[in-house]
Amino acid sequence: AAGVIQSPRHLIKEKRETATLKCYPIPRHDTVYWYQQGPGQDPQFLISFYEKMQSDKGSIPDRFSAQQFSDYHSELNMSSLELGDSALYFCASSLGTGGEQFFGPGTRLTVL
Amino acid sequence: QKEVEQDPGPLSVPEGAIVSLNCTYSNSAFQYFMWYRQYSRKGPELLMYTYSSGNKEDGRFTAQVDKSSKYISLFIRDSQPSDSATYLCAMSAGGGNKLTFGTGTQLKVEL
Repeated sequence: AAGVIQSPRHLIKEKRETATLKCYPIPRHDTVYWYQQGPGQDPQFLISFYEKMQSDKGSIPDRFSAQQFSDYHSELNMSSLELGDSALYFCASSLGTGGEQFFGPGTRLTVL
Repeated sequence: QKEVEQDPGPLSVPEGAIVSLNCTYSNSAFQYFMWYRQYSRKGPELLMYTYSSGNKEDGRFTAQVDKSSKYISLFIRDSQPSDSATYLCAMSAGGGNKLTFGTGTQLKVEL
């Protein structure tokens, strides 16, 4: 079965640079969630979208923004990167607002 | 204090053992409870998804939820070396709401 696709899988950036992470949900899933997982930590919720509208917002820095497009894929834009932004970034998708969340393989961001 | 508490382990058991993993939580609004398995540097894989109190069984896995005690458990029967991973409990207040995770329990099943 098709799963959540994330790209790129690995990304290395310098401080103060920008990064764009992409997420392609499971076909027919209309809800996307972004999570950040630091080393040895549990995933922390950043933001979610349902039917292309922001549905919830967590501990997402103002330097980050995200959107969901008409084909339901989502992009997380990160600017003025800091060393502390180095983490695994996961995207999850669900069908509507009542379903299980299925996670992608993650994007490993390293900020040097 | 975190909303969801989980013993980080590590937990080491022999192959074939029954494993019990637990989480406690403080937010009474949580209604949906999940268990994810995460291998190193991989995405969390959904194992069990339950709503409100009760038990749910799927193969070697059984999930239990006791909302009155704010306590959830995952039992793994006949544990295998391939079960070695980090197990994360997660919960949400609504079906499409953000997940709040426990810190994860690292499990090692030894031959």
